[in-house]
Amino acid sequence: KAGVTQTPRYLIKTRGQQVTLSCSPISGHRSVSWYQQTPGQGLQFLFEYFSETQRNKGNFPGRFSGRQFSNSRSEMNVSTLELGDSALYLCASSSDTGNYGYTFGSGTRLTVV
Amino acid sequence: SQKIEQNSEALNIQEGKTATLTCNYTNYSPAYLQWYRQDPGRGPVFLLLIRENEKEKRKERLKVTFDTTLKQSLFHITASQPADSATYLCALLNDYKLSFGAGTTVTVRA
Repeated sequence: KAGVTQTPRYLIKTRGQQVTLSCSPISGHRSVSWYQQTPGQGLQFLFEYFSETQRNKGNFPGRFSGRQFSNSRSEMNVSTLELGDSALYLCASSSDTGNYGYTFGSGTRLTVV
Repeated sequence: SQKIEQNSEALNIQEGKTATLTCNYTNYSPAYLQWYRQDPGRGPVFLLLIRENEKEKRKERLKVTFDTTLKQSLFHITASQPADSATYLCALLNDYKLSFGAGTTVTVRA
């Protein structure tokens, strides 16, 4: 079956702009999580959605937001981009609780200039 | 505060040997501990999950142990191959959130 699909794969934005990233989970998976990966901080949890409801949120400023649609696809948005937002953004899906492991996408590489 | 520490940033081993990676955690009471592999520029790939009531789990050449008293998990790659070269991450699941260690980069020399 198809894996987790993230689009776009690469993105270059200017400081102050906003960006929307998209994630399509594995068919049948209703939980979608987002992570930010940087060389300095490693993998950091952003938020998790299940059936369109946010069940947990990480320690990121309000500029970072997300949503999930009825077909389980998810988007995350970052407004007023800062240079420090440059990172690999990863989406992961699982069936429900994550107790059987997560499937990650290849990520979106965001560069803020 | 909660911490997950993977003892080595890098591990270089000879092909055919066993690589042993360590994951220690503090201020967690995880029911599940997971291990992932990540190649450069790619997302992590799920390898193994071990539950708190399990002492050991195996999958092909991989073995994971989990000691909730020591708050430690060991990850072994036996008969290592150059294709095993990657970064290996341990992660604890709590409230739908994975918390990751910094990872150990394993390089297997032919």
